[in-house]
Amino acid sequence: DIVMTQSPDSLAVSLGERATINCKSSQSVLYSSNNKNYLAWYQQKPGQPPKLLIYWASTRESGVPDRFSGSGSGTDFTLTISSLQAEDVAVYYCQQYYSTAATFGPGTKVDIK
Amino acid sequence: QVQLVQSGAEVKKPGASVKVSCKASGYTFTSYGISWVRQAPGQGLEWMGWISAYNGNTNYAQKLQGRVTMTTDTSTSTAYMELRSLRSDDTAVYYCARDKSTVTKWMDVWGQGTTVTVSS
Repeated sequence: DIVMTQSPDSLAVSLGERATINCKSSQSVLYSSNNKNYLAWYQQKPGQPPKLLIYWASTRESGVPDRFSGSGSGTDFTLTISSLQAEDVAVYYCQQYYSTAATFGPGTKVDIK
Repeated sequence: QVQLVQSGAEVKKPGASVKVSCKASGYTFTSYGISWVRQAPGQGLEWMGWISAYNGNTNYAQKLQGRVTMTTDTSTSTAYMELRSLRSDDTAVYYCARDKSTVTKWMDVWGQGTTVTVSS
């Protein structure tokens, strides 16, 4: 299985400031035939199911605010919240779908400083 | 609107089986797949497997092979996940999520979750 790691485990950011979450895969999730990175990001708030934010590493899901952006390629990826809002307090997960067995990262908790 | 509605909470004894249902509405069921993801208390997300609602093809997480079966009933747009030989570490919230029809990719619509508690 492809192992996903995330850093940091948690972070606290002031309202309006930038939050950056890193995700690393144990092998490349870039598919050479279509030059796409098989990586998604999710947000999960307490007591709720996860919500899809981004797929193909950088394509924002419909309705997701543009302060959320994804970047990276190969094995190293980043989710950036450009201006943290109170409603962004949550745990964020990356997920690879390069393998037929999807795997999630362990999650990064984002709080308000 | 597109939604997935799951069955209610379950309490099972070790060694028993549980079957969770996931009823889809608001979209063409057979044009997508369903993934199942679980979350143990205070823990992260674990992908359990995927089923195509188009042709019934499945792909299970290796650690659950032999204990899990995923099925669909296209006449009622319902997906099912059965887990057998339950252990205490199967205690978790189980989610179904809409996925692609040919292979698992990203999951764009999620059910509300079903709590399964395994306890003697």
